[in-house]
Order: sequence, then structure tokens, then C-alpha cells
Amino acid sequence: QKEVEQDPGPLSVPEGAIVSLNCTYSNSAFQYFMWYRQYSRKGPELLMYTYSSGNKEDGRFTAQVDKSSKYISLFIRDSQPSDSATYLCAMRPANAGGTSYGKLTFGQGTILTVHP
Amino acid sequence: NAGVTQTPKFQVLKTGQSMTLQCAQDMNHNSMYWYRQDPGMGLRLIYYSASEGTTDKGEVPNGYNVSRLNKREFSLRLESAAPSQTSVYFCASSVLAGYSETQYFGPGTRLLVL
Repeated sequence: QKEVEQDPGPLSVPEGAIVSLNCTYSNSAFQYFMWYRQYSRKGPELLMYTYSSGNKEDGRFTAQVDKSSKYISLFIRDSQPSDSATYLCAMRPANAGGTSYGKLTFGQGTILTVHP
Repeated sequence: NAGVTQTPKFQVLKTGQSMTLQCAQDMNHNSMYWYRQDPGMGLRLIYYSASEGTTDKGEVPNGYNVSRLNKREFSLRLESAAPSQTSVYFCASSVLAGYSETQYFGPGTRLLVL
């Protein structure tokens, strides 16, 4: 079983829809949770970053973490064709000793298409 | 400010050939990483370097070596390429700011091993 599971989709929605992307994980040591967006033939770029449980909102994007269920979500409101991309969840344990490296564990990525 | 750059963008190798993938960052980051991305597998960490002069293995290090040449540059070497190493390779660098850490990725190198 993978440490991080993400439904690869693909997911196709009409413009304006609310999109829900999800990941489950098995390692209870994970403390930092991220969502990356990757456009076709490009490198991933950080979209949202959350620490421990709770919600974080940034414009049309909301990241949610439920550590008790080992479940994280990304919601996209009023989705746009420009949101069409692969969305990757990533997570890592807390750093030991304050060192600045982070060994991220990624989900498989969900391919999202928003059609006009 | 170019961020993270990778060369080459695309490469075709024959089984058994060697090559080095180059990565450089101009953001003065301490930490650098090499990942591979395969369909249905997400990104998997090959090697990382927490700081200049240190390197360590990630999840899938077999068949690869790395060199942290200086603070800016982190190279990945395939000594004897195998078809299983056909993949897209991403380099990343990171900075820690408070509790938040952002990894910045390069554009990737597409490698095909025949």
C-alpha cells in the first residue's frame, strides 16, 4: 500500500463547477501538507501549504486537513479552464533539528479538465 | 532571476550509455532535490542535498549518483542507463521560512532509454 493515495481521475467538469480533490495517507507522522499544480510539460508549482489540521483559504482555493481521518482535500470554487492541470498532494513529517530540507511524499496526481 | 534551470530538456540514450543531468538554482537555497515522475506514480525522490557538501538517498536511488558541486548546482548521473530509467526528471530547491517550506521545481528533463 502506498503511503499517500490519490485518485488519478481524470476528472472533467464544466466551467463554474466546484471541484473536490482528495488524498488519504497512512503515515501519522506527516505534519505538513501541500498541494501542487502542474501544467502539461511543466514543473509542479506550489498552490497551498498547510500545517496540521484545519482549513486554509486562498482566493478560489481551500485546503482542508483532517489528521484524525488521515485525509486532505483541495476545493476549487468557480473553476476556470485555466485550472485545467494535474494536481498533486504532497506531505512530510516535521523537520528534525530545524534543518531546512524536506523529504516530500507525493500522491499520484489527479488530472483535471475544466471545459468552457 | 531564472529560478531552477535544468539541462538538457530532452535526451535519448541507448541501454548502457551514461549521462549527467544538470540543475542550477539562483535563489540562494540551501536544499536541492532530484525527483522522477512516471505515469500513475506521482513524483518520487531520488536523492536530496540538505546543504552544500551533503547528499543523501531518497526513495528510489538505485542506478543514480549525485554531486552537489556548489550551493547553486546539483547534478544527477546515470552511469549505465536502463529502459526502466525512462522518465521525466525534475530538480527542485527549497527554502525554509518559519514553518513554511516551498520547493521550487525546474521545467524537467525528459529521458528516453532505448
